[in-house]
Amino acid sequence: AQSVTQLDSQVPVFEEAPVELRCNYSSSVSVYLFWYVQYPNQGLQLLLKYLSGSTLVKGINGFEAEFNKSQTSFHLRKPSVHISDTAEYFCAVSEAQAGTALIFGKGTTLSVSS
Amino acid sequence: NAGVTQTPKFQVLKTGQSMTLQCAQDMNHEYMSWYRQDPGMGLRLIHYSVGAGITDQGEVPNGYNVSRSTTEDFPLRLLSAAPSQTSVYFCASRKGQTYEQYFGPGTRLTVT
Repeated sequence: AQSVTQLDSQVPVFEEAPVELRCNYSSSVSVYLFWYVQYPNQGLQLLLKYLSGSTLVKGINGFEAEFNKSQTSFHLRKPSVHISDTAEYFCAVSEAQAGTALIFGKGTTLSVSS
Repeated sequence: NAGVTQTPKFQVLKTGQSMTLQCAQDMNHEYMSWYRQDPGMGLRLIHYSVGAGITDQGEVPNGYNVSRSTTEDFPLRLLSAAPSQTSVYFCASRKGQTYEQYFGPGTRLTVT
């Protein structure tokens, strides 16, 4: 079965600084990888996903992530964050075979201050 | 399209009571899932379904039952509520393995 580890529970940064949110996964088969964002008191929305092909994936709001198969990682990055990026970010993995569910990490709280 | 809808939004139960959380989607998605979200624990999968008549257990299935008689509906039943089931519950659906998963607005459940 697959699993996801988000290495940082909280990441505080200043506005306009770069940020990296780390995610590692474990699976015995090929996987699809996702990042979701949850703003305060809201549901989750998709930031980006990796299915195949280019290992650098670009998403909404200026975020990107890089799939590294050898390190089983899918870290999320943004070169310059805004106050409005303050939210909880979830990495998720789905095995690349039919009939399995999407499994989430425990989340990373990104706090952006001025 | 309404997307994924959940009812109720809030619920307070006493220990030992039973109830059903409703979830419906109008996007003709095959996959539906129930998660619970607790502080510091992320979203944990309770049960999921890959089509009408097919369900399977997730990470934390104990104390919960599901059924999927139609493509649209995926209710979650709490058999005998316990304080440990106090949580926010999210229903979600997606078309298939590679597709975005859509979430409902959540149900905040308190068990006293």
